Amino acid sequence: NAGVMQNPRHLVRRRGQEARLRCSPMKGHSHVYWYRQLPEEGLKFMVYLQKENIIDESGMPKERFSAEFPKEGPSILRIQQVVRGDSAAYFCASSPIRGKGANTEAFFGQGTRLTVV
Amino acid sequence: DQQVKQNSPSLSVQEGRISILNCDYTNSMFDYFLWYKKYPAEGPTFLISISSIKDKNEDGRFTVFLNKSAKHLSLHIVPSQPGDSAVYFCAASAPSGNTGKLIFGQGTTLQVKP
Repeated sequence: NAGVMQNPRHLVRRRGQEARLRCSPMKGHSHVYWYRQLPEEGLKFMVYLQKENIIDESGMPKERFSAEFPKEGPSILRIQQVVRGDSAAYFCASSPIRGKGANTEAFFGQGTRLTVV
Repeated sequence: DQQVKQNSPSLSVQEGRISILNCDYTNSMFDYFLWYKKYPAEGPTFLISISSIKDKNEDGRFTVFLNKSAKHLSLHIVPSQPGDSAVYFCAASAPSGNTGKLIFGQGTTLQVKP
C-alpha cells in the first residue's frame, strides 16, 4: 500500500513560468490537504479538497495559485507566473475521513521542493 | 500573526536523558493538538496528539502535556535516542469548521547525542 505520492520531488522554474505539483493520495483516501513550508518556517495550510470539490481554500494566495482534485487522477496544485517568493517545499497530506479524526489519520507525502530562479 | 509558537529553534540532549519540547498558542478556541516529527527531505510523520479535555497523553517514550490556562503544551521524550534527532512540529486544529486543517509552529530541531 503505497503512501502519499508527490511528484516531482524537485522542480526548478524560471520566473514567469508555471509550476504544476501533483499529489496522489493513499488508496482509499478521498481528502487531500496542501501545505507550504517556507525556509525556516513551519507548514502553512493552503487548501483542503475532496474529490471534485474545494472545501477550504482560506490559505491560498488570492492570485496565481489554484488547486484541483478531479474525479480521476491526482490532485494538482498549480502556480502560474511563479516568482522567487514561491520557492518553498509544498507538502500534500491525505486522509480517509474529514474533521478532527483527520488530524491523526492524515499522512503526508515527501513534498515537492520548488525553486524559482 | 503566529498562533502557534515554538520559541526554541533547537535543542540538544544526551542519549538516555529527557527531551522537553515546548509549544505555546494564542487562540483559546483550539481544542486539539498534535506533534509531528520530520526528517530532512521527508514529510512530517504524526507522533502523538491530545484533546483539550485532557491534560496528559502518553504513548511509549512520548508524553504530551497540556496546560490550557497557560496555553502551553510540551512533548517529553524519555529516554531520548539518537534516532529521535529530527525537527519536531507542534500543531493545533483550527477552531472554525471541522475540516482537519492544522496550524503549525515553526519547529524545534532536536539533536540527541550518543
